[in-house]
Parts: sequence; structure tokens; C-alpha cells
Amino acid sequence: DIQMTQSPSSLSASVGDRVTITCRASQAISNYLVWYQQKPGKVPKVLIDAASSLQSGVPPRFSGSGSGTDFTLTISSLQPEDVAIYYCQKYDTPPWTFGQGTKVEIK
Amino acid sequence: EVKLVESGGGLVQPGGSLTLSCSASGFPFTTYAMHWVRQAPGKGLEYVCVISSNGATTNYIDSVNGRFTFSRENSKNTLTLHMTRLRPEDTGVYFCVGPWYTNWGQGTLVTVSS
Repeated sequence: DIQMTQSPSSLSASVGDRVTITCRASQAISNYLVWYQQKPGKVPKVLIDAASSLQSGVPPRFSGSGSGTDFTLTISSLQPEDVAIYYCQKYDTPPWTFGQGTKVEIK
Repeated sequence: EVKLVESGGGLVQPGGSLTLSCSASGFPFTTYAMHWVRQAPGKGLEYVCVISSNGATTNYIDSVNGRFTFSRENSKNTLTLHMTRLRPEDTGVYFCVGPWYTNWGQGTLVTVSS
């Protein structure tokens, strides 16, 4: 099975900072990658799918890029409401494995 | 509006069995594959299994293969996850997900403990 590795596992940044999270697949998955945001006690919310397609209603400070094995989620200007855990997930073929998550906090 | 409602969670002893259900509405249920994802307390998301739109094909992660059975009844828009030989590491919130990755239920908590 393809493994998904996210880095870093956690980060602390100031409001307004640019934040980058990476996700690496152990084999190529084309652009079959989705990014989620999960806040405490809540269900995960899709931010981006097809590696770079922003979901309706998601602030444009979020963006995604990559294809093949290497992917990136960027928050261009971190806001207090962005405190959450972010996950990547592949969805090319089962199992649709998740990355282990990245916890984002405000410094 | 897509709605997924899970039920059936609870406390079960190691080695026991439990059956989860997911009631779906708001989309053409017979058209889509559906999934279960779980989350252990304080841990990350773990993909568990998928069932094809007609129920003929299923796929499970290795740790549950042979112990969990995923089925669907398209006439009733219902999914069922029958879990046997449960282990403490199966503890977590189980989410019904679909179509695709966009829609999630609120989850049902399964606790495997003596």
C-alpha cells in the first residue's frame, strides 16, 4: 500500500506568517490528493481536492500544489481561526490513506 | 443536502462484536462507493474500508481485514459495518464518508475495553 508522510508534525507561527505543510506519497498518485482541516471536536472539512482545487467557501489564503509524489498546502497569511490539524489523503485507489496530520498553532 | 447518520457505537469487551450502521440521504445513494474512517482518541484519521456502489466489491485495511465486514442495502440507503474479534486498538470514533471524501457523518464512538 502507498504510504503518505506529512511534515512537520506540528508547527507554531505568528499571525500573518506564511505556513507550508508538505505531504509525500511513497508512490506516484497523480493529483489524487485532498487536504482537510480538522478543528477540535469537529468533523474534517475539505479545503482542497485534486491537489490544487480550492473548495467553495474556503478562504483564498489556502492553496495547494504538487503532483506525483510531492504535495504542499500553503496558508499565505496565518489567521487565528486557522488553528487546527491538517491532513492530506490520497484517493487514487483504495486504501485512501491519510497522512499523520500537522498541528498548526499560533505563536 | 447530503446527510449521513451513524449509529451502533458503544462499549464492548475485547474479542467481542459490534455492528455499526450509517443511514444516508440527500444524494443518489446507489451511484456511489462509500467509506468508513476512524479516529482513535487524540490521534489522527485512519481509513478503514470502502464498498462499491452495488456492494459487490469491498476493500479493507490490513489491520481489520478478516474481522470487519462492510455491506450495504441500497433499497434502504443503509450501510452496515459488522466488527468482530474487536481489539482495544479498534477504539475510536467511526465516521461514515461519501460520496467521495466530501461528506462526513458526525461519527459514532466505539470503545473496546474490559
